[in-house]
Amino acid sequence: RKEVEQDPGPFNVPEGATVAFNCTYSNSASQSFFWYRQDCRKEPKLLMSVYSSGNEDGRFTAQLNRASQYISLLIRDSKLSDSATYLCVVRPPDNFNKFYFGSGTKLNVKP
Amino acid sequence: IAGITQAPTSQILAAGRRMTLRCTQDMRHNAMYWYRQDLGLGLRLIHYSNTAGTTGKGEVPDGYSVSRANTDDFPLTLASAVPSQTSVYFCAPGCTLHNTGELFFGEGSRLTVL
Repeated sequence: RKEVEQDPGPFNVPEGATVAFNCTYSNSASQSFFWYRQDCRKEPKLLMSVYSSGNEDGRFTAQLNRASQYISLLIRDSKLSDSATYLCVVRPPDNFNKFYFGSGTKLNVKP
Repeated sequence: IAGITQAPTSQILAAGRRMTLRCTQDMRHNAMYWYRQDLGLGLRLIHYSNTAGTTGKGEVPDGYSVSRANTDDFPLTLASAVPSQTSVYFCAPGCTLHNTGELFFGEGSRLTVL
């Protein structure tokens, strides 16, 4: 079983829509979670960390559900510039030096 | 991204040849990582180093070696390249001393092994 799993999409949404992605992780003891964004043929960049209580950064909201072992990313009022692949990242509890990446969810925001 | 240099940016290589991908940072981060990214498989960790002088194996280390002689450099070597090593390789320094976990990725090296 993969450490981190994501729906590859693509999610095709109109501008202004609200869209949400989920990501499941296999190790229930995992402590650190992140969302990265990757534009086509570019390197991944940190979008936001995911805290236990949930956190918000502008139009982006990240949440953690430990009971069901998933994290989510909600994007409100989608912009064309939000089109990218969103990568879920989990750090295992037994090795703080490792980061496990999901294969990514592709988002296409259309005019 | 300023502070991380990967070279070469792109390379076509004959199978069986030796190849070293270079990665240099000037951000002074303690940890450095090498990932490969393949369509449908996402980013997979090859090797990592949490401080100068130490290295560790990731998910897919076979066929690759690394060294960390100092804080800034973390080269990845393919001793004898095979076509399955065709991929995009990302080097990523990061600060892992606390529970932050931000990795800063280089622009990647596209490697094609024929």
